[in-house]
Amino acid sequence: DGGITQSPKYLFRKEGQNVTLSCEQNLNHDAMYWYRQDPGQGLRLIYYSQIVNDFQKGDIAEGYSVSREKKESFPLTVTSAQKNPTAFYLCASSSDRGFNEKLFFGSGTQLSVL
Amino acid sequence: GESVGLHLPTLSVQEGDNSIINCAYSNSASDYFIWYKQESGKGPQFIIDIRSNMDKRQGQRVTVLLNKTVKHLSLQIAATQPGDSAVYFCAENIRRGKTGGFKTIFGAGTRLFVKA
Repeated sequence: DGGITQSPKYLFRKEGQNVTLSCEQNLNHDAMYWYRQDPGQGLRLIYYSQIVNDFQKGDIAEGYSVSREKKESFPLTVTSAQKNPTAFYLCASSSDRGFNEKLFFGSGTQLSVL
Repeated sequence: GESVGLHLPTLSVQEGDNSIINCAYSNSASDYFIWYKQESGKGPQFIIDIRSNMDKRQGQRVTVLLNKTVKHLSLQIAATQPGDSAVYFCAENIRRGKTGGFKTIFGAGTRLFVKA
């Protein structure tokens, strides 16, 4: 089945620690995205990538880093500089072909601070 | 810094009734609008879309209405079922500018409760 796989489902971070969230897609989509969702709120864009080896900051990139070495993979690292990392993180992909692109989302990773 | 948490608007309906979820968008140049459904603990899923040159589009039990004059979008769900309980987001696609392509701007979302 084609889709987007995020792992792990739940992740705990100790203070001062960097953690990496995995996102893999087999939809052959060019564009991939990371969103943050806080309880009772909408989605805020962290980073996006339209092509391999290239990525752009979204609205709340501070304290996060990404890489796009392969088309299928777009891992997100939450660094120790992110002082309030507890949130639900969503990865998405799209064909990015034009104005009518639709986002396909993974099941999310819940990150909590110990 | 982080924003203060806000409570999502909530709509509570009786099973079998029709639901109407409303959304105001901001960019008059948006060409395309989408509704997503997010069930608890999952990622959003596409429900239905509409282009800016249309004012109504129907799917299976769902209808989207677009009023460009007042920049308003609505999602109507017919004969609402318990499985429709979720958070619903409207979204608009706008041009990114320098980097090309389009980006999706999400609304705040509405939580739908369906009472059995």
